[in-house]
Amino acid sequence: DQQVKQNSPSLSVQEGRISILNCDYTNSMFDYFLWYKKYPAEGPTFLISISSIKDKNEDGRFTVFLNKSAKHLSLHIVPSQPGDSAVYFCAASAGGNEKLTFGTGTRLTIIP
Amino acid sequence: DGGITQSPKYLFRKEGQNVTLSCEQNLNHDAMYWYRQDPGQGLRLIYYSQIVNDFQKGDIAEGYSVSREKKESFPLTVTSAQKNPTAFYLCASSRAAFYEQYFGPGTRLTVT
Repeated sequence: DQQVKQNSPSLSVQEGRISILNCDYTNSMFDYFLWYKKYPAEGPTFLISISSIKDKNEDGRFTVFLNKSAKHLSLHIVPSQPGDSAVYFCAASAGGNEKLTFGTGTRLTIIP
Repeated sequence: DGGITQSPKYLFRKEGQNVTLSCEQNLNHDAMYWYRQDPGQGLRLIYYSQIVNDFQKGDIAEGYSVSREKKESFPLTVTSAQKNPTAFYLCASSRAAFYEQYFGPGTRLTVT
């Protein structure tokens, strides 16, 4: 039972344009969401997070949007840069538990 | 500088042998985690520990064992009972009650 879903395995975006990565979840108890970025043969690195009391959080070129009614979150990267090419995972946590549930990832390729 | 160390980066074993993967952190984090990543899949939680001398099974604990005798160390043993041990293994840690997990560089285990 996949509680966190990233339905697009891959995405290609031109350099300078906006990249939008999507994530859906089924567990209504999830109240904290995170995005991680991962390069091949390396561990993921934390990018940005959002609590369920907010609907938007911004950090530089990265913005995460949360739509609780739709159980959907998205990560916007603008402008996209070649170094953004990586696999992006969304993750969720429920009820103050540090345990995270991860999605399957979306491979983002930025085309120069 | 602080971080998480996993060694070795690549590990090869014969089927039927137990193997122990090392994870050390000097971030003074209370919680530590082990994940497994397979191609096209997200990170799946094997075991986690929130304090020394205590640990809990994750979603795919069968065939694995852990110990947490020191705050800094959380070794994972892949036993011969694990049916498909070949994978990329990631260790992570986090501060108590904080969701952001910091990951090590990973160990790729190949069992033939």
